[in-house]
Amino acid sequence: GQQVMQIPQYQHVQEGEDFTTYCNSSTTLSNIQWYKQRPGGHPVFLIQLVKSGEVKKQKRLTFQFGEAKKNSSLHITATQTTDVGTYFCAEHSGAGSYQLTFGKGTKLSVIP
Amino acid sequence: NAGVTQTPKFRVLKTGQSMTLLCAQDMNHEYMYWYRQDPGMGLRLIHYSVGEGTTAKGEVPDGYNVSRLKKQNFLLGLESAAPSQTSVYFCASSSNRAHQPQHFGDGTRLSIL
Repeated sequence: GQQVMQIPQYQHVQEGEDFTTYCNSSTTLSNIQWYKQRPGGHPVFLIQLVKSGEVKKQKRLTFQFGEAKKNSSLHITATQTTDVGTYFCAEHSGAGSYQLTFGKGTKLSVIP
Repeated sequence: NAGVTQTPKFRVLKTGQSMTLLCAQDMNHEYMYWYRQDPGMGLRLIHYSVGEGTTAKGEVPDGYNVSRLKKQNFLLGLESAAPSQTSVYFCASSSNRAHQPQHFGDGTRLSIL
């Protein structure tokens, strides 16, 4: 089945620095979802991107979907300690598909 | 609103023992899922259900069985637990409209000795 490759696996940043995680696929994605999992917690849905070239913002978080719909990114401006956690991208394998395939996640550590 | 509730939260089993993990959702969602999460492996789908009385295999179904006798409940069974099944198990649910987000429970941390 389709796979989404997520990089980097780990990222350590100083508080106030920016952070970006990337999600790449060898095939065209129908959509991409992003989730955040706090340490010891469960994944929580952040956003969904559907359209080619789409950009969405949530406060300091900016989500992008590539023009070819084969990649996506999550950028956090001026990280805070509350941003600590693992960020996952996930994709549905086709129109109307029930299943999500998750990337392996990027674990973000923020040094105060 | 409770959302998705998983029981138990923690469990330690001996190899060969059996147990059932319970997932309950109060959002009237059609779709329900069981995942396992292991370090560095992300979330892997074990089994899923698209409605009451239906189940299907995911990416890593071996060693697990599931049942969806009621719409709000999705049970995950381990008939003969093995150490390789030590993991954190998450249940999730979603509505049956296309490309909907999944809502996760708090997880069950299972150790097999």
